[in-house]
Amino acid sequence: GAVVSQHPSRVICKSGTSVKIECRSLDFQATTMFWYRQFPKKSLMLMATSNEGSKATYEQGVEKDKFLINHASLTLSTLTVTSAHPEDSSFYICSARGDGAKNIQYFGAGTRLSVL
Amino acid sequence: AQKITQTQPGMFVQEKEAVTLDCTYDTSDPSYGLFWYKQPSSGEMIFLIYQGSYDQQNATEGRYSLNFQKARKSANLVISASQLGDSAMYFCAMREVSGNGGATNKLIFGTGTLLAVQP
Repeated sequence: GAVVSQHPSRVICKSGTSVKIECRSLDFQATTMFWYRQFPKKSLMLMATSNEGSKATYEQGVEKDKFLINHASLTLSTLTVTSAHPEDSSFYICSARGDGAKNIQYFGAGTRLSVL
Repeated sequence: AQKITQTQPGMFVQEKEAVTLDCTYDTSDPSYGLFWYKQPSSGEMIFLIYQGSYDQQNATEGRYSLNFQKARKSANLVISASQLGDSAMYFCAMREVSGNGGATNKLIFGTGTLLAVQP
């Protein structure tokens, strides 16, 4: 159990276009999902917390208009990188919080975004 | 402020031997949760093991065990009988405590330890 699917796994796009990344909890409902960014050989940096049915909570320094998050159902959250630029190239990974007392976060496989 | 420290950027271990990955944490809250994740080169983050601050016994999951020393604020991961497939980045994480003392859902990650298992 506790499987999180993230799609696409890799995307290459032109500068100025928008890219949508999906994060789905396949076998459990997730009221809370998280979006992280990871630079090469670095740790994960939390970008935002996605709450089902309400607005996402963004971390300091993360542009909410640049990184649009929608959590329309208990199993799906999406991250849209709007007007992507080369500096947005990175590894983006999502997680979904399980409903047990331990509050374990289960992660997707990540999306490698390359903006040319 | 809460903090996770992993002092080993990289480690080598021979196949079939045990290895300990260090993790220390800093928090003033008596209630917290500690996690270990494995990140292979493919990128996904795989949950390995959890330890609650009030758990009386060290957590174990198969070949993974957590050496929890509360007084020292350390939560080292022990991998027994290392396998080639254990080669990966390992992250220690702690559930964040908010300013008013309540647990948030956020995780604070360490910088990771790259483990290389040699045949």
